[in-house]
Amino acid sequence: DAKTTQPTSMDCAEGRAANLPCNHSTISGNEYVYWYRQIHSQGPQYIIHGLKNNETNEMASLIITEDRKSSTLILPHATLRDTAVYYCIVRAYGSSNTGKLIFGQGTTLQVKP
Amino acid sequence: DVKVTQSSRYLVKRTGEKVFLECVQDMDHENMFWYRQDPGLGLRLIYFSYDVKMKEKGDIPEGYSVSREKKERFSLILESASTNQTSMYLCASSLTASGSRGEQFFGPGTRLTVL
Repeated sequence: DAKTTQPTSMDCAEGRAANLPCNHSTISGNEYVYWYRQIHSQGPQYIIHGLKNNETNEMASLIITEDRKSSTLILPHATLRDTAVYYCIVRAYGSSNTGKLIFGQGTTLQVKP
Repeated sequence: DVKVTQSSRYLVKRTGEKVFLECVQDMDHENMFWYRQDPGLGLRLIYFSYDVKMKEKGDIPEGYSVSREKKERFSLILESASTNQTSMYLCASSLTASGSRGEQFFGPGTRLTVL
């Protein structure tokens, strides 16, 4: 399973863009990059995913480098409610193809007023 | 929007009790998952199901069983609750197990305390 590396924590000013990096240098060709976030004591929330093209939805944008070894999640206008732990995940295609998610330590994003 | 609901947000049970945790999704998803989340251990897969009446063990199935009699409902059963099963239990569902539609949608979680 491809591992991911994220900074432990980041701060962002309210209203500014939050750029959260993720390294996944061992990603294989058919593995997707997924981003989730988890607000304290709540279930994880799906944000966005991509294979090799940049993706955008109503929540965020995902920029994946051409070599696919890293990606950046962009929250264009962070609000206080975006304060959460953000997880970058590469899908685990195990022998049983469970599709299970493996969460690392994630990045704690603190949005400040 | 996909909605995944879990029967309880908080639950307190005694050692030895049989515990039922229920999960319902409203998006006609094929796949459903049960995880537990503990500080420092991340998310661990207990069981998953890719179809009605089908189930597969995850990484930590011991002490648990599951039931999927209807597509929208996936139940986790603790046959005889023990204190080491005190945890946050998370249910998730997805359209497919992998690929471009493999995103998982989670319920709010059930925080179970076993005394």
